[in-house]
Amino acid sequence: GAGVSQSPRYKVAKRGQDVALRCDPISGHVSLFWYQQALGQGPEFLTYFQNEAQLDKSGLPSDRFFAERPEGSVSTLKIQRTQQEDSAVYLCASRRNRLTGGKNTEAFFGQGTRLTVV
Amino acid sequence: DQQVKQNSPSLSVQEGRISILNCDYTNSMFDYFLWYKKYPAEGPTFLISISSIKDKNEDGRFTVFLNKSAKHLSLHIVPSQPGDSAVYFCAASRYGGNTPLVFGKGTRLSVIA
Repeated sequence: GAGVSQSPRYKVAKRGQDVALRCDPISGHVSLFWYQQALGQGPEFLTYFQNEAQLDKSGLPSDRFFAERPEGSVSTLKIQRTQQEDSAVYLCASRRNRLTGGKNTEAFFGQGTRLTVV
Repeated sequence: DQQVKQNSPSLSVQEGRISILNCDYTNSMFDYFLWYKKYPAEGPTFLISISSIKDKNEDGRFTVFLNKSAKHLSLHIVPSQPGDSAVYFCAASRYGGNTPLVFGKGTRLSVIA
């Protein structure tokens, strides 16, 4: 498709279970971002890739969170030993690289994966 | 510490009138600002943006104003339509770099017919 695709749309995990969330960015988009959105809050930055390189992971809340983008397209966000506080919507966004001359471009978001840890 | 603040959690406006959504930021390194619109169960969709070299950007019914000295921006929707009812997020980043967007908490706009 033409947009950012995330799967699954909904995930219910038992506390302590590992989960993997997938993001298919827009074809050709160099930059990929993961965000976490808790109920009633704005999206909070988790991590950022440029192609396959993870350039910023400062937003990952703990070492239970791991993200990869091995071939510079599809990305996976993995959460190990899930806790109830991990319950949130996880959003993926992609952005084509800045145009020649430094013009910034907007990020396009997927529909998100709603994770509920019970 | 919230770098991007939307102090109004909700706003109700009558159809046909102007909607004004406000956003304040604290980080003086931000120089590119965006507004996103979000419907329930969907991801945010880009609405309009502005760079710090401008003080106004207009796209149809949507206009964004930037006051750099006050570190304040606003989104005007004229005329408001029921389909505009959604949560609006203000976001900021550094211009020209692939830096992440920093979001506010959002303002829920309800346009009443």
